[in-house]
Amino acid sequence: GQQVMQIPQYQHVQEGEDFTTYCNSSTTLSNIQWYKQRPGGHPVFLIQLVKSGEVKKQKRLTFQFGEAKKNSSLHITATQTTDVGTYFCAGRGVGETSGSRLTFGEGTQLTVNP
Amino acid sequence: NAGVTQTPKFQVLKTGQSMTLQCAQDMNHEYMSWYRQDPGMGLRLIHYSVGAGITDQGEVPNGYNVSRSTTEDFPLRLLSAAPSQTSVYFCAARRGKDSPLHFGNGTRLTVT
Repeated sequence: GQQVMQIPQYQHVQEGEDFTTYCNSSTTLSNIQWYKQRPGGHPVFLIQLVKSGEVKKQKRLTFQFGEAKKNSSLHITATQTTDVGTYFCAGRGVGETSGSRLTFGEGTQLTVNP
Repeated sequence: NAGVTQTPKFQVLKTGQSMTLQCAQDMNHEYMSWYRQDPGMGLRLIHYSVGAGITDQGEVPNGYNVSRSTTEDFPLRLLSAAPSQTSVYFCAARRGKDSPLHFGNGTRLTVT
């Protein structure tokens, strides 16, 4: 079945440093979504990428979808303490027509030292 | 507009007990799903539904049952709790197959 791998599993940064998490799928994806989960909270939707090579920005966050639609990345510029949390990618395979089998990566847990 | 509401927030069960985790949404979304979250393993899909009266298995369905008699409610039943079911459970709803997931606040379950 479809697998979505995310690296790194943990990342510790000093406030102001940049951060990147990478997501790789074993199969071609129709789209990819990114979620953020604060400690003790629930995942919250950030963004969805659909097109090959797509790049989207949300303030200090930059999201990319690979040309082959099998990988994606989230880059945070100049991290702040409010960025602390676990970032998940989630993808639907092109062959998954029901749309309900959204496969999540393992997540990257980000901690920011002030 | 509460979104997705899960109850209870915390639960402790003894091995062999059964219980139902409740999930209700007021967004009139067709798609609902249950995930469990364990450290280092992300969110794994247990069961899902694409509409009232329709349910299907996800990647880790063993030991769990679901039903979807209404659009609003999607309860998850643990038939005979086991320590391996200790986890945080999230219910989620979405409008369509490529729409964002809206998660509930989760239920933290411990089985002793």
